[in-house]
Amino acid sequence: SQTIHQWPATLVQPVGSPLSLECTVEGTSNPNLYWYRQAAGRGLQLLFYSVGIGQISSEVPQNLSASRPQDRQFILSSKKLLLSDSGFYLCAWSVKGELFFGEGSRLTVL
Amino acid sequence: SQQGEEDPQALSIQEGENATMNCSYKTSINNLQWYRQNSGRGLVHLILIRSNEREKHSGRLRVTLDTSKKSSSLLITASRAADTASYFCATDLNNAGNMLTFGGGTRLMVKP
Repeated sequence: SQTIHQWPATLVQPVGSPLSLECTVEGTSNPNLYWYRQAAGRGLQLLFYSVGIGQISSEVPQNLSASRPQDRQFILSSKKLLLSDSGFYLCAWSVKGELFFGEGSRLTVL
Repeated sequence: SQQGEEDPQALSIQEGENATMNCSYKTSINNLQWYRQNSGRGLVHLILIRSNEREKHSGRLRVTLDTSKKSSSLLITASRAADTASYFCATDLNNAGNMLTFGGGTRLMVKP
């Protein structure tokens, strides 16, 4: 069966520091991969999605970037974090239009 | 702005009662999905209803879709305390199914 792993689960970073969140999927090949961000008590905002290695689409201009170095690996990065980058980041993969989410990474920027 | 908007934003009921949540959207869709999120966790897919379907059931869940009104409802019957969570609708705007747009969610609390 397919599983999705996302880490770290929680992260506290100072403003201006770099960020790297990693997501890997097991049990499937060539999945569509997604990064969403969720502000406290709010819905999900799509940040990036990828339909294949090296193919990244950005939905919102921001301080973040994404990369897909391997088929089942999706990385969210920032060179310099802002306070507004705080939030709950969710990685997901899809099959037949349905999304399967990781457990999320809670980022607090101080 | 968000494609889907849930109503109400928060709902508190007693165990055993039914819970109804509504979702309105703005543009034509390929399908509409409902997800559940326990506090601090990832979202879990509940049910998908296609644009040519009007009603769908899954256990205690019943989803309706009215494309003429651009709205959907999620009914949870005989609610349990374990149903306490946030519920989100998501719309698939393109036929490739690559992108889902989520609403702000309904926070459901079921009191034992």
